[in-house]
This record gives sequence, structure tokens and C-alpha cells, in this order.
Amino acid sequence: DSGVTQTPKHLITATGQRVTLRCSPRSGDLSVYWYQQSLDQGLQFLIQYYNGEERAKGNILERFSAQQFPDLHSELNLSSLELGDSALYFCASSGSGGIGYEQFFGPGTRLTVL
Amino acid sequence: GDSVTQMEGPVTLSEEAFLTINCTYTATGYPSLFWYVQYPGEGLQLLLKATKADDKGSNKGFEATYRKETTSFHLEKGSVQVSDSAVYFCALSSNSGYALNFGKGTSLLVTP
Repeated sequence: DSGVTQTPKHLITATGQRVTLRCSPRSGDLSVYWYQQSLDQGLQFLIQYYNGEERAKGNILERFSAQQFPDLHSELNLSSLELGDSALYFCASSGSGGIGYEQFFGPGTRLTVL
Repeated sequence: GDSVTQMEGPVTLSEEAFLTINCTYTATGYPSLFWYVQYPGEGLQLLLKATKADDKGSNKGFEATYRKETTSFHLEKGSVQVSDSAVYFCALSSNSGYALNFGKGTSLLVTP
């Protein structure tokens, strides 16, 4: 158990809908990262927050957004969903937002768009 | 840009066989290197890491040495077990970004 929690575990929805994925980092960790894992793209970095502020952006679509709240939990919002958004979405946390620090991954949310 | 290349899987080995999974990288500066493991239906777990050249990371019988001259970080284990069956990801964290840059993963199946 990494100490990172994600809810829900599974999510099934329809095209055009909007969903919210939630992540709670390990106790004391200030940095949260979101990744998408799909069969064709592999593991892709989406976005990072550090202590409530956006720090880095990766291959995140404009239809996707995220935020980190004062209690440090984070939410990833996916809107106007398409079939291709079906994937595993992982949240990770680390104590620092810097380079070289290991990231601890949650169990993931499996999103299925029908 | 930064990238990680791993050997294609799946790799199938008999129990107690020697394991090598190759990983090479391209990065600016001096990246930190990681191996993560993903068991079926689970998230990624950090297996080992190395932060500078010639560092050797080790954990649970797995080892990897950071070779700057060959830009490699190959994963090895002397004697694999059925319980080692999983997908292994090589990753780097470099000066060009804070996120982890992952290879495509190598699936390992160990048979009794």
C-alpha cells in the first residue's frame, strides 16, 4: 500500500459526459502528479501540482483540467469524453516537487467510455 | 526530448532463471533513473532507483546500475520466481521536467 488513494476504482460513462477523478496523496506529500495509461500510448504524464499550484504540464488535452485543494487532495476533471479517453488514470505523490524524488502511485481509476 | 527505450516483451522465463531487461535513455543533463513494477490489476510500485552515474539500485534481489557511458540502466535478477511475473517500467526524471518519463514496459511471465 503506497498511501495514495484514488476514487472511484472503476468508472463507466458515455461519450460527451464529464467525470471527476479524485486523489489523496500520502500524508505530508505536497506534490501530486496525474498520468494516463493506455495500450497504445503507454504511461503519459498529464499534469503536476505542488502545494496547490500548477507546476508542470504534459500531454493534457484542453478538455481535461485538474486542481489541488488546500487539504492537498487533487481532482482531475475530464469533459466531453470520447471513446479514446478510455484508460487507466493514475495519481502519484512525492514529498518534493523536484527531480530525482521517487513518486508513489495510487491504484488507479479505470475509465471506460462507451 | 527525453526518452526511455525498453526491450520489447513479453519475456517468458522458467523459475530460477536469470533475468535481464534492457533499458536505455536519452536525456539532457544528469537524470535520475527508476524501475517500477506493476502487478496485475495494481498500481505502479517503485522497485529501485539511482540518482547518479555508477550508482547501483537494488531491492528484493533486483539490481540495476546507472551507466552514463552507455546511457543504460538494465534490470537484472539472478533467480526469478513465479511471483515476479509483472510488467516492469524503466523511467527517468531529468532537468527538463519534474514528471517521470516512462518506457513502454516489459511484461515478464515466470513459469514453474
